[in-house]
Amino acid sequence: DTGVSQDPRHKITKRGQNVTFRCDPISEHNRLYWYRQTLGQGPEFLTYFQNEAQLEKSRLLSDRFSAERPKGSFSTLEIQRTEQGDSAMYLCASSLLSQEQYFGPGTRLTVT
Amino acid sequence: GENVEQHPSTLSVQEGDSAVIKCTYSDSASNYFPWYKQELGKRPQLIIDIRSNVGEKKDQRIAVTLNKTAKHFSLHITETQPEDSAVYFCAATSFGNEKLTFGTGTRLTIIP
Repeated sequence: DTGVSQDPRHKITKRGQNVTFRCDPISEHNRLYWYRQTLGQGPEFLTYFQNEAQLEKSRLLSDRFSAERPKGSFSTLEIQRTEQGDSAMYLCASSLLSQEQYFGPGTRLTVT
Repeated sequence: GENVEQHPSTLSVQEGDSAVIKCTYSDSASNYFPWYKQELGKRPQLIIDIRSNVGEKKDQRIAVTLNKTAKHFSLHITETQPEDSAVYFCAATSFGNEKLTFGTGTRLTIIP
């Protein structure tokens, strides 16, 4: 499968714990995006990278959230001190230059 | 920032009939309008997109129209089939903006 992949697909954690998700974009795609999707809503933009540079962060991304893309390939999204309101589907997407974004299967986070 | 509104939120059509989903956007600088199909538990899948330099684009049974003056765009599905049942999201972005702003989705049900 040469599409965007994400790991893990599901994560259950207790409130206050830290979690980290990984995204592997389509190879050669230089742009990588993180979105969050809650039930019944469209995806909401969190942040995006061009190569290894993080170029934009949404105000939805509190200081408990951090994202990295150290070598311009895969990316990680970490949430510290998780809260129940963090429960959502976290989607990663990648693109080359044409604005067309291709999504991964997502990581569903449940905070208990 | 951009705001995208989508209607209707649910739509049921008889198999073989046509379905139309409409979206409006607020930012006149937006120039790229993709449509995504999301089946239950799966990733959003890019099905068609349109750029602001054209008014209509077709791909087999799917078409998208864009009215820049009125700032609205629509998805048209003809000869609907059961496998068209899904949630459809419209989105908008502008060159240099990168992040997609999504509508709230339309749950399309095809009645056999």
